[in-house]
Amino acid sequence: GQSLEQPSEVTAVEGAIVQINCTYQTSGFYGLSWYQQHDGGAPTFLSYNGLDGLEETGRFSSFLSRSDSYGYLLLQELQMKDSASYLCAVRNSNYQLIWGAGTKLIIKP
Amino acid sequence: NAGVTQTPKFQVLKTGQSMTLQCAQDMNHNSMYWYRQDPGMGLRLIYYSASEGTTDKGEVPNGYNVSRLNKREFSLRLESAAPSQTSVYFCASSDIPGQGSDEQYFGPGTRLTVT
Repeated sequence: GQSLEQPSEVTAVEGAIVQINCTYQTSGFYGLSWYQQHDGGAPTFLSYNGLDGLEETGRFSSFLSRSDSYGYLLLQELQMKDSASYLCAVRNSNYQLIWGAGTKLIIKP
Repeated sequence: NAGVTQTPKFQVLKTGQSMTLQCAQDMNHNSMYWYRQDPGMGLRLIYYSASEGTTDKGEVPNGYNVSRLNKREFSLRLESAAPSQTSVYFCASSDIPGQGSDEQYFGPGTRLTVT
């Protein structure tokens, strides 16, 4: 079967750095994406990794290792508005996105 | 640009009733998708339309039908609602799957309760 595993919840302090991991097992692999979803809201796109390595967009970075079937999202200088769920998704050989259950990020002042 | 719009935002149905969820996008995207999201689970693909005139089943199509009315609009129909279909439904669109990031743009969601 196809599956993505990510922690259900992560807690961090405002101003700190946090890493959210995602491991995947899918039929084919055409990239790992990250989305942010606030409570009651819709997912919004954050980043994409098609190749191994680090992609940086402002305070957010995303990393991929295809040989380990693993990626992570790194959030720096955490702000209270970053409190949300973070979803990883992998595009499989049918070009469909397979989604993880999401990691709820709780930020404490 | 409104992006992706969905109607209704909330709906309560009785078991056995039918309804259609409407979705429209104004970004001239080729592909459109219907997902459901349940607590503790990832988004699950119900149906998708890779381009105007085509539709394909996703992971959980049973109990649903879709229509790609034109390039802008993609509707989801529940013919005979069941309590197991209580969920949040999201419509999404993207440009051309398999190219670049294939970023998907989501509508605000429809919160459906079936009693």
